[in-house]
Amino acid sequence: DAGVIQSPRHEVTEMGQEVTLRCKPISGHDYLFWYRQTMMRGLELLIYFNNNVPIDDSGMPEDRFSAKMPNASFSTLKIQPSEPRDSAVYFCASSPKTARGPDTQYFGPGTRLTVL
Amino acid sequence: DQQVKQNSPSLSVQEGRISILNCDYTNSMFDYFLWYKKYPAEGPTFLISISSIKDKNEDGRFTVFLNKSAKHLSLHIVPSQPGDSAVYFCAANPGTYKYIFGTGTRLKVLA
Repeated sequence: DAGVIQSPRHEVTEMGQEVTLRCKPISGHDYLFWYRQTMMRGLELLIYFNNNVPIDDSGMPEDRFSAKMPNASFSTLKIQPSEPRDSAVYFCASSPKTARGPDTQYFGPGTRLTVL
Repeated sequence: DQQVKQNSPSLSVQEGRISILNCDYTNSMFDYFLWYKKYPAEGPTFLISISSIKDKNEDGRFTVFLNKSAKHLSLHIVPSQPGDSAVYFCAANPGTYKYIFGTGTRLKVLA
């Protein structure tokens, strides 16, 4: 079975450019999460969706960041305009729903973003 | 205001010995804790979890201990193997649908 798929794996762009990161969750999973990993803050949750609806975007750093989930099999995280401090590894994760809440989260391989 | 703290950024252990990774949290409402392991160029993968109604959970070479009064949990790996070399993230779940992760501890197991 395919896991969570992210593209691109690496992205190098110049400051001011728009960046779009893509994610395909595991089929049948109800929850989708976007994380950012940095040395200083570890894994930070940016936003998560339940059944394609954004539930909590309190982790989105600022208005330059936006995320969408147009259907159950696709999500995007967009940064516009990008800045050097956005350089990080961005992970997408998905999770099924259990009676208690979402089960453990399954992470994609990440997108390493470098903004020059 | 890190709610989940891993104060040791790195740890080196000899092969065959015990590795102990520590994690502290600040919110007593957290009721479920997890450890994830991450290899370079890969996403984190789930390793082991523990509910707040327990103080220990064991899975093979991996054991997680929870001390609720101290708001502290630890992951023990016995015996440590070179393949265990990775970054380990502690995460807490406050009963909602999201996890709060720590900054990670890089474990190096020396052969």
